[in-house]
Amino acid sequence: DGGITQSPKYLFRKEGQNVTLSCEQNLNHDAMYWYRQDPGQGLRLIYYSQIVNDFQKGDIAEGYSVSREKKESFPLTVTSAQKNPTAFYLCASSIGGGGRSNEKLFFGSGTQLSVL
Amino acid sequence: GNSVTQMEGPVTLSEEAFLTINCTYTATGYPSLFWYVQYPGEGLQLLLKATKADDKGSNKGFEATYRKETTSFHLEKGSVQVSDSAVYFCALRLTGGGNKLTFGTGTQLKVEL
Repeated sequence: DGGITQSPKYLFRKEGQNVTLSCEQNLNHDAMYWYRQDPGQGLRLIYYSQIVNDFQKGDIAEGYSVSREKKESFPLTVTSAQKNPTAFYLCASSIGGGGRSNEKLFFGSGTQLSVL
Repeated sequence: GNSVTQMEGPVTLSEEAFLTINCTYTATGYPSLFWYVQYPGEGLQLLLKATKADDKGSNKGFEATYRKETTSFHLEKGSVQVSDSAVYFCALRLTGGGNKLTFGTGTQLKVEL
């Protein structure tokens, strides 16, 4: 089955620790995205990548880093600089990343990150 | 800037009741509009979309009409079911803005027997 796989489903971070959230897609999509979901705040864009080896900051990139070395993978690292990391993190992908405004986003099932 | 405003939840309805979830937007250009649905413990799924004024998006009994004059995209369903219980997100994307979506805060719907 084609889709987006996020892992792990639940993740715990200790103080001062970096953690990495995995996102893999087998849809052959060029574009991938990371969103953060907090209660009552909807979704906010952290980083996005329109093509391999390229990525752009979203609205709340501080304290996060990403890489896009392969088309199918877009891991997100939550660094120790992110002081409020507890949230639900959603990865998404789309066929392309530019121009066509009506393209559909496909979402993974999310990772809940909590601070110990 | 661009923004989306949704009615606050939770919205609690009895099965077979009529549903309206209000959504209004502010945008500097001519956006495409979307409704996404999130079932418990899952990611978001596209429910319906409309790309220009007066378009009506529809899917699974849900409908929403792109109203440019009132900058609105209200979600409606004539008869809800318990299985419709979820969080509903209104979103917009500007033409030429890549695929960056601006989401509303989400509205939780609870349908009871």
